[in-house]
Amino acid sequence: GQSLEQPSEVTAVEGAIVQINCTYQTSGFYGLSWYQQHDGGAPTFLSYNALDGLEETGRFSSFLSRSDSYGYLLLQELQMKDSASYFCACDSGGYQKVTFGTGTKLQVIP
Amino acid sequence: DTAVSQTPKYLVTQMGNDKSIKCEQNLGHDTMYWYKQDSKKFLKIMFSYNNKELIINETVPNRFSPKSPDKAHLNLHINSLELGDSAVYFCASSQETTGRDYEQYFGPGTRLTVT
Repeated sequence: GQSLEQPSEVTAVEGAIVQINCTYQTSGFYGLSWYQQHDGGAPTFLSYNALDGLEETGRFSSFLSRSDSYGYLLLQELQMKDSASYFCACDSGGYQKVTFGTGTKLQVIP
Repeated sequence: DTAVSQTPKYLVTQMGNDKSIKCEQNLGHDTMYWYKQDSKKFLKIMFSYNNKELIINETVPNRFSPKSPDKAHLNLHINSLELGDSAVYFCASSQETTGRDYEQYFGPGTRLTVT
């Protein structure tokens, strides 16, 4: 089976940097995705890492270490609108399902 | 234009009733999904269809029956609704042939409340 663990809640100050961690245990692994979900909204895709290292997309970066079965999402220059839940998700490729993590609720405070 | 749409957005019904949720995507994707998100926000896959064929069928009560009339539509019918079925149901789509099935596009969700 597959399981992905994340901290349940994180609080950070506007303008600061926050890191949301994700550790996974999978029977097969192709890559790690990150999704953002605002309260009452739908999950939206943020990033994907298939290889080790850091991928940067604007204020958001995502990191993967396959040897450590670990990844993180880094949010810089936090804005109030970044307050949302963030999910990591892993896929096993092909028609295999994408499994979502437990989700981290990020609260950005002034 | 809405990429993935679902109807209805809200559904309040009594135990024992039968209800359906409809989903349509206009992204030209070949794969569609149903997810259930409970009150703790766990997002769990229920079904996946690729080009109208059932690919993933998780351990879901057989009261839940998906139907894909074509690759742009995926509906979910639920028989004999129970209190535990209360949740938000998300439809999603992705394109498997490009290898980007990890990039899923979600509909706005259907909040089902069973009383």
